[in-house]
Amino acid sequence: DTGVSQDPRHKITKRGQNVTFRCDPISEHNRLYWYRQTLGQGPEFLTYFQNEAQLEKSRLLSDRFSAERPKGSFSTLEIQRTEQGDSAMYLCASSSSIPTGELFFGEGSRLTVL
Amino acid sequence: GENVEQHPSTLSVQEGDSAVIKCTYSDSASNYFPWYKQELGKRPQLIIDIRSNVGEKKDQRIAVTLNKTAKHFSLHITETQPEDSAVYFCAALDTGRRALTFGSGTRLQVQP
Repeated sequence: DTGVSQDPRHKITKRGQNVTFRCDPISEHNRLYWYRQTLGQGPEFLTYFQNEAQLEKSRLLSDRFSAERPKGSFSTLEIQRTEQGDSAMYLCASSSSIPTGELFFGEGSRLTVL
Repeated sequence: GENVEQHPSTLSVQEGDSAVIKCTYSDSASNYFPWYKQELGKRPQLIIDIRSNVGEKKDQRIAVTLNKTAKHFSLHITETQPEDSAVYFCAALDTGRRALTFGSGTRLQVQP
């Protein structure tokens, strides 16, 4: 499968713990996005990378959230001191350098904070 | 930033009927409007998109129309089939963020 892959698919954690999600984009795509989706809502933009540079961050991305994309390949999204409100599906997507190119989404990482 | 409103939130049609989903956007500079389909437990997948230099685009049973003056765009599905049942999201490119802003989704149910 050469699509976008995310790991883990499901994560259950206790409030206050740290969690990290990984995304492997389609290899030739240099743009990588993180979105958050809660039940019954559309994906909400969190942050965006072009190659290894993090170019945009939503105000939804509090200081407990950090994302990296070392070497412009895979990306990680870390949430520190998780809260119950962080429970959601975290979606990663990648696209080619053309701004209006199709976003290819991964299957998502579902986070449940108890 | 961009704001996208989508309605209706749910839509139930009989198999064979047409379905229309409407979206409005706020940023007049937005120039790209895709539609994504998300089946239960699956990833969102692009089904059709339109750029601001055209007013309508069609792909078999699916069409999208864009009215730049009114800042709204619509998805039209004709001859609906049970496999069209899913959640559909419209989106607009936020030219400031260079990222898509999504609507809240429409749950389409096609009754056999």
